Order: sequence, then C-alpha cells, then structure tokens
Amino acid sequence: KNEVEQSPQNLTAQEGEFITINCSYSVGISALHWLQQHPGGGIVSLFMLSSGKKKHGRLIATINIQEKHSSLHITASHPRDSAVYICAVLRNMLTFGGGTRLMVKP
Amino acid sequence: DTGVSQDPRHKITKRGQNVTFRCDPISEHNRLYWYRQTLGQGPEFLTYFQNEAQLEKSRLLSDRFSAERPKGSFSTLEIQRTEQGDSAMYLCASSFNRGLNTGELFFGEGSRLTVL
Repeated sequence: KNEVEQSPQNLTAQEGEFITINCSYSVGISALHWLQQHPGGGIVSLFMLSSGKKKHGRLIATINIQEKHSSLHITASHPRDSAVYICAVLRNMLTFGGGTRLMVKP
Repeated sequence: DTGVSQDPRHKITKRGQNVTFRCDPISEHNRLYWYRQTLGQGPEFLTYFQNEAQLEKSRLLSDRFSAERPKGSFSTLEIQRTEQGDSAMYLCASSFNRGLNTGELFFGEGSRLTVL
C-alpha cells in the first residue's frame, strides 16, 4: 500500500461543477502540499497545510490530521482548471500521491 | 529572484554516457529536493539536502546516481553510464525550513532526459 493515496485517479467534470479530490496518507507528517501540473508544464504549489483549511480564489484545501486525510475542492470549475493535481506529504522528504487527472469540459 | 531554475531543460544522450543536471534554488532556501517523473506518473523522491548536507537518498537511486550541493546553494545531479530506463523528467524543488516549520515548496521547470 502506498503511503499516499489519492482519489479519484481520473475525473471529468462539466464547467461550473464543484470538484473534490481526496488524499489519504498513512504516516505522521509535518505538512501536506497540494500541487498542480498542467500537461507538459511544471509543478506549481497550490497550498501547504499543516492543519485546518485554506482558501485561495476558487480553491479550498482542508486537512484532518487525526484522520490523516485532506481534500482539495474547486468551486465553479473552469476548463483552465484541467490539470493533474498531486497531493504530497512532508516528513523529512516529500512523498507524492499518484495524482488526479482532472478534465473540465466547457 | 526568478524562482528555481534548472539546466539544461532537455538533454538527449546515448546509452552509457554520463549526464549532469544543475539546480539553482531560490536564494536563502536551505532545503533542496530532487525528484524524478516519468510520463503519466507522479514524481518520485530521489534525494534531498538541508544546506550542504545530503540527508536522505531513495532506494530507487542506484550507485550510478550522485548528487551534491557543495556550498549549500546550487545542486548537481549526475547520472553515470546512463540507461534507457533513466529517461524521465528530473525535477528540483526548494523551500526554507526553520526548525519544525516547513516553508512553501517551489519547483523548477525540470530537466528532461532522453536516453537513446
């Protein structure tokens, strides 16, 4: 079993839909990162969380340390949100989930 | 500061040759990570540095791989006697960590290696 599990692996949504991507991990961590990677592009950090909830524009990230679970929500999704979203947990080094490939159709 | 920069962006080499990649982190970032990403997969941890000290190295890394960060600033990743299976995107990331507090992570654009 991987230390970091993401679900779903692939997600197709219609523009405007509310999207949730989940991340579960099995080890103690000091922080959790949500990352975004567009096709052929570099990786951009969206959020770094160690507790609670963060919001940036249409993106919301939450983490429950006791349950070892985090979610990334996208409100009013748009085709430009189409990308791979990666959860990564930090102990000493970063361990990545397998990513969620999101496609938002107009 | 223009962020984390990596060089070269793309390297094509023949099997058996040595290659070296360079990463310049954001200045004053004390932590530097190397990752590898193959097509359609998530990144895999290779190694990381706290200042000039290499603190951890993945079991994925064979003896053909070596990384350095001699002055705690830029880092190099060398692959000796390249194999076709080494073809991947090599990613560098940096952050500023103080004690138990971890900083925001910044990624470079990556160095794509193609071994023919």
